[in-house]
This record gives sequence, C-alpha cells and structure tokens, in this order.
Amino acid sequence: EVQLVESGGGLVQPGGSLRLSCAASGFSFSSYWMNWVRQAPGKGLEWVASIKGDGTQKSYVDSVKGRFTISRDNANNSLFLQMNSLRAEDTALYYCTRDGRNSDSWGQGILVTVSS
Amino acid sequence: DVVLTQSPLSLPVTLGQPASISCRSSQRLVHNDGNAYLNWFQQRPGQSPRRLIYQVSNRDSGVPDRFTGSGSGTNFTLKISRVEAEDVAIYSCMQGTFWPYTFGQGTKLEIK
Repeated sequence: EVQLVESGGGLVQPGGSLRLSCAASGFSFSSYWMNWVRQAPGKGLEWVASIKGDGTQKSYVDSVKGRFTISRDNANNSLFLQMNSLRAEDTALYYCTRDGRNSDSWGQGILVTVSS
Repeated sequence: DVVLTQSPLSLPVTLGQPASISCRSSQRLVHNDGNAYLNWFQQRPGQSPRRLIYQVSNRDSGVPDRFTGSGSGTNFTLKISRVEAEDVAIYSCMQGTFWPYTFGQGTKLEIK
C-alpha cells in the first residue's frame, strides 16, 4: 500500500523558513516523479513543485521560484521542500503526491501558517 | 500557463439523479507522447484529494463505475450517473501535460 506522510509544518513569521518532509513507503520511491501541492484555507489546489525520480530535473510554480527548493533522498525514501522567505500567501495545507503529472496518491497534508 | 475553467462551481443534485461537471482548458492538452494528462480528483470534507480519473477517461481502482470521464482537445467532462450521499465533495480537474501543472477552481457538489 502506498503511504505518504508529511511532517515539518507549523507557525512561522513572515520572512522565516521551514523544511517540509514526506516519508514514502509501499512503492519504489526512486522510480517516481514526486510533487508538492498546496491548498490555501478555503481555496483550490495549487501545484508547487515536482522532482524527477533521480533528482536531476525539478520544476516550480513561478510564485515560489527562488524561495522554495524541492529535493529528495532516495536512500531513505524521503521528499523535502525547503521553504525560505515565507510570505502570508504561502499559508496552506501542503500535500506530497506521487507520480508527477498523474498525482495518483496523496498524503494527509501538513499545515504551514505564515503569520506574525 | 494553462487555465482550467470548471463549471458549474456549485452543483446541487438530488439523490439518484445524474451530475455533470465541465472542465475547459485554455489549450489542447495532448502531450508529446500522445497522451492527454487530464485528471479528476474528489475531495470529501476534511479529507485529502483522491484521484478518480486519469488521462481523461481511465477510472482508478476502487472508483465506482457511476463515475465517468470523457472529452478531448480542450473540453472535458466528469459525469456521475446516479449521485449518492457519499459523493458530496469538491471535484477538481488537473492538467499534467504542461508545466506548471494547473488545477480547475473546483466544483462543490451538494445534495439538494
């Protein structure tokens, strides 16, 4: 069974940093593109970033370019999102999803709140 | 960026009646590999999204056959043949053909 478990969220001040993690199990992690997708309170879904299975290709939505970095550790079946220079508009539930363009499996999400 | 426009945004439906949600794309969603990466997701209250349909019309394992995806080019549709109480949710389309991947605004299905 595919399992994706996010962690690392919380309350942070504007301009601060957070690192999200996603622990994956139940599948061959290194074989899959992985995504981060977010959902602001009461809003729709927004794709944030993707990373290829071997980590050699990455893509970001414009609003986070230069501030967020997606990475992975295939030895430990883990996906990460380093978030710097956080803004109020980054407040959202962040989901880890499997299989890039298809997003066939989702974690339970982790809440990030950016507020002073 | 590809814009996905869903309609309606609110969908009151009587139990047992059909429902239909439209997702229109600002450009054709055919990838270089010949596939159209148009997915449909269901998000029940308080839950994570769950994929129902991938590549326009392929139903995921465990998804009831009352859910059907169709379409081509720039027009796509999710149909529910007979709405049940458990179908109360927000339904969103997503395109995975072009970066940045994008989602529709979401359609809230409720029981009338």
